Amino acid sequence: AQSVTQLGSHVSVSEGALVLLRCNYSSSVPPYLFWYVQYPNQGLQLLLKYTTGATLVKGINGFEAEFKKSETSFHLTKPSAHMSDAAEYFCAVSDTGGSQGNLIFGKGTKLSVKP
Amino acid sequence: DTAVSQTPKYLVTQMGNDKSIKCEQNLGHDTMYWYKQDSKKFLKIMFSYNNKELIINETVPNRFSPKSPDKAHLNLHINSLELGDSAVYFCASSPFSGQANYGYTFGSGTRLTVV
Repeated sequence: AQSVTQLGSHVSVSEGALVLLRCNYSSSVPPYLFWYVQYPNQGLQLLLKYTTGATLVKGINGFEAEFKKSETSFHLTKPSAHMSDAAEYFCAVSDTGGSQGNLIFGKGTKLSVKP
Repeated sequence: DTAVSQTPKYLVTQMGNDKSIKCEQNLGHDTMYWYKQDSKKFLKIMFSYNNKELIINETVPNRFSPKSPDKAHLNLHINSLELGDSAVYFCASSPFSGQANYGYTFGSGTRLTVV
């Protein structure tokens, strides 16, 4: 069964600093991996996804993530944090060949950005 | 135009009542989902429907009953509400069942408070 572990329920960075949100997955098949962002009192918005091909994927708002099979990781990064990046971030995994293909979410990491 | 819309946005009700949450998507997607997000932000799938047919029915009390009159709508009816049902409920959709590489589009959520 697939699962996702997000290290750190809360990450705090200064504006302009590097953002690094960690995600490790467990999957018996090549995974599809996703990062979603949830702003306060809003739904989840897709930031980026990895399915096949290039292991470094770029998303919206300057975020990117790298799929590392040997480390079973899919960490999310942004070179320079902005105040508007403060939100909850969710990593998710899905199997690639199942009849259902539903997303399994991690427990989320809350990103705070200090001025 | 809102892609996935849920109503109501907020719902406060007493224990023992019956309530419904409605969801509609205008993306032409075949598959729709209900997720529950608890107070710790953990997201757990409840149900998924593909073209009006139930695909996933996770371990959810049978007080929860989804209904899909057509592939653009997936409503959630909850009988005999309990305090523990308080949560944010998210509706989502994806183009095809079993092909999770597209990711999901989420609604903005319904915050249910049972008092």
